[in-house]
Amino acid sequence: DAKTTQPNSMESNEEEPVHLPCNHSTISGTDYIHWYRQLPSQGPEYVIHGLTSNVNNRMASLAIAEDRKSSTLILHRATLRDAAVYYCILRLGFGNEKLTFGTGTRLTIIP
Amino acid sequence: NAGVTQTPKFQVLKTGQSMTLQCAQDMNHEYMSWYRQDPGMGLRLIHYSVGAGITDQGEVPNGYNVSRSTTEDFPLRLLSAAPSQTSVYFCASSYSSGNPDYGYTFGSGTRLTVV
Repeated sequence: DAKTTQPNSMESNEEEPVHLPCNHSTISGTDYIHWYRQLPSQGPEYVIHGLTSNVNNRMASLAIAEDRKSSTLILHRATLRDAAVYYCILRLGFGNEKLTFGTGTRLTIIP
Repeated sequence: NAGVTQTPKFQVLKTGQSMTLQCAQDMNHEYMSWYRQDPGMGLRLIHYSVGAGITDQGEVPNGYNVSRSTTEDFPLRLLSAAPSQTSVYFCASSYSSGNPDYGYTFGSGTRLTVV
């Protein structure tokens, strides 16, 4: 399985943008990049996903490198509610049923 | 639209007891799965289903059974609970099985302690 590498932890000030990096150097052409987050004592929550092009939704933006070997989740204006563990996951091509979770990045928001 | 509902939220079992963790979704999702999360670790896939009547094993299936008789429900059975099964269990569903262009919806979890 293609693996992802994320920093163990990051801190950011409230109301500032946050850039969460993810490396996936062994990604294949059909792998989608998914991001989930897990707030304390809750189940994971879908944030965003993409294949090649940058993506935006109401929660965040996903910037994908041209060679697809890395990506960045962008929270445009962090709030205290964004404090969570963020997981970058490769959802493998059609027919593969498994999401493989790593240990993610624990994001702390400083008031 | 309740999403993915898991019951119970908390459970304490004695070693050797059996129980069923319930999972229901009201989104007409084709794919359902069970994960466990142990302290300091990521989620690990136990079993999954790509549709009613079809189930398969994930990476940590031992000690667990599943069945899928309806699209909506995907219960997880512990036949003889062991302390090693103490964990938080999450049920997840997705609109299309095997299609990576869809995200997963997770339930809020069941915290199980086996003593």
